[in-house]
Amino acid sequence: AQSVTQPDIHITVSEGASLELRCNYSYGATPYLFWYVQSPGQGLQLLLKYFSGDTLVQGIKGFEAEFKRSQSSFNLRKPSVHWSDAAEYFCAVGSGYSTLTFGKGTMLLVSP
Amino acid sequence: ETGVTQTPRHLVMGMTNKKSLKCEQHLGHNAMYWYKQSAKKPLELMFVYNFKEQTENNSVPSRFSPECPNSSHLFLHLHTLQPEDSALYLCASSREGQGSTEAFFGQGTRLTVV
Repeated sequence: AQSVTQPDIHITVSEGASLELRCNYSYGATPYLFWYVQSPGQGLQLLLKYFSGDTLVQGIKGFEAEFKRSQSSFNLRKPSVHWSDAAEYFCAVGSGYSTLTFGKGTMLLVSP
Repeated sequence: ETGVTQTPRHLVMGMTNKKSLKCEQHLGHNAMYWYKQSAKKPLELMFVYNFKEQTENNSVPSRFSPECPNSSHLFLHLHTLQPEDSALYLCASSREGQGSTEAFFGQGTRLTVV
């Protein structure tokens, strides 16, 4: 069975500092990996996705993520965080016609 | 605006009421989903429809009844709910199998059962 672990429930980052959100997955085949962001009271918006090819993928809003098969990880990064990035971030895994499995999410707080 | 619209945005209902949640997408997608998002829990997949046919029901209690009349519309009929059913209910759609393609989410319906 596929699973996703986001080990950090909350992370606080100063505005302008770099950010890395961790995601580890468990999946028997080649995974399709996603990062979504959810602002309060809103639905989920896709930030980026990895299907194959270059293991470093670029997304919207200046985010990127790197797929590391050896570590079963797909960590999300941003070089300089803005106050508007405060939200909850979800990592998800799927493949082919299987439905997505989501992690529990990481709440990002941005301090002035 | 993701192209997936959910109504109502907020709903308060008593345990004996009957209500329905509506989801509409005009993205030309073939698959639609209902998720439940409760505090401090992962997103829970409830139902999956592919080409209007239900392909997945994750052991959801019968007090939740989905309906998919066409590929663009999805309903969730609610009756005799419990307070623990209070949550954000999210609808999503995708071109086909969700795992390989991007899922677009609606803004959700915040349901409170009193």
